[in-house]
Amino acid sequence: GQQVQQSPASLVLQEGENAELQCNFSSTATQLQWFYQSPGGSLVSLLSNPSGTKHTGRLTSTTVTKERRSSLHISSSQTTDSGTYLCAKTSGGNYKPTFGKGTSLVVHP
Amino acid sequence: GALVYQYPRRTICKSGTSMRMECQAVGFQATSVAWYRQSPQKTFELIALSTVNSAIKYEQNFTQEKFPISHPNLSFSSMTVLNAYLEDRGLYLCGAGPAGQNTLYFGAGTRLSVL
Repeated sequence: GQQVQQSPASLVLQEGENAELQCNFSSTATQLQWFYQSPGGSLVSLLSNPSGTKHTGRLTSTTVTKERRSSLHISSSQTTDSGTYLCAKTSGGNYKPTFGKGTSLVVHP
Repeated sequence: GALVYQYPRRTICKSGTSMRMECQAVGFQATSVAWYRQSPQKTFELIALSTVNSAIKYEQNFTQEKFPISHPNLSFSSMTVLNAYLEDRGLYLCGAGPAGQNTLYFGAGTRLSVL
């Protein structure tokens, strides 16, 4: 089955609202990354968070390793946040992130 | 900082022809390079993982005969899509990582269209 599952599949917000994205993974992760994919396709790494909570700007990621889940919180969303958010896990030292299908976020003005 | 450049950004090839794409790592040593494909409506599929001075490991459904990869040094890798057909359309991403870290830095991708 799918090793990395993301929810919701899509999310529509009004500018200023907060977003909560979820990622569940089926086996232990030694590295957990959140990526942003622009509508043009470019992939940008947002956060690497194998455990605990990390913040950067308006983004907060919380990973609970033993429960095999991670969340990405986007506060005060902006129209430029629109795009696809991908969660990827790596197990061991094999440098092979497995990606989820992503959450498509649309933020309306 | 660590940067990965991919080129070309977009390319179109005729069905049955081949297309080579390149990946350049700047600011770190790309000990490992992973090539992914994102087909329309699909998530990222790992094609192969290359580690300098080791054999390139291809995932199921991908072969060296179809996607030959070169990883000659710690800053460069290339992959060719041989005999491209419609099902090979998509965004090809290169992720490179230094030794000792479990993180890949990704390029912006090469978008392949096949006519």
